[in-house]
Amino acid sequence: QVQLQESGPGLVKPSETLSLICTVSGASIDRGGFCWSWIRQPPGKGLEWIGFIHPGGTTSYNPSLKSRVTISADTSKSQFSLRLTSVTAADTAVYYCARRAYTSASFYFDYWGQGTPVTVSS
Amino acid sequence: EIVLTQSPGTLSLSPGERATLSCRASQSLSSNYLAWYQQRPGQAPRLLIYGASSRATGIPDRFSGSESGTDFTLTISRLEPEDFAVYYCQQYGGTSYTFGQGTKLEIK
Repeated sequence: QVQLQESGPGLVKPSETLSLICTVSGASIDRGGFCWSWIRQPPGKGLEWIGFIHPGGTTSYNPSLKSRVTISADTSKSQFSLRLTSVTAADTAVYYCARRAYTSASFYFDYWGQGTPVTVSS
Repeated sequence: EIVLTQSPGTLSLSPGERATLSCRASQSLSSNYLAWYQQRPGQAPRLLIYGASSRATGIPDRFSGSESGTDFTLTISRLEPEDFAVYYCQQYGGTSYTFGQGTKLEIK
């Protein structure tokens, strides 16, 4: 059974850097066919894809966040991480990590972590 | 960027009734690239449908997806109490992924 678990600070000050880690169990993050993603959801709002990392280390980011986002992976720990710089109150959200799968030319997010709330406030 | 517009915003129905949720794409979209998710309060989204009409593992057959041009539909044939939640459609646009704004399915 694939499981993902987010961890990191729940409170970040404006202009600082948000850092989160996702720990994966039940699957290898360096196995082909899957990408490891971050998605967020502001309070009471919808979902926004942030980006993902491919097994080979290639990354893909939402163009609206690209200048502030870095996603990296540590395969030895089965973890991947998110760094979001220069945060503002608009970055307050529940942050989810998720696995993006590829089957029969379809792309979708099949396993999700439980989510971790992050508040940007001084 | 392809924009997904879901309707209605809120749908009020009773258990046992049929639910029809719509997701319209702003431009042509391969059906391969459309998925549906269910999100219950306080929980992460759960994959229901991928490739517009393929049910994910473990999803009951009362859930079905279809497409007609740029219009995609999620149908729940007979509502169970646990089906009342928010539903999102999601698309892959070649370089990015976007979600619709969601449809809240509430008990009437």
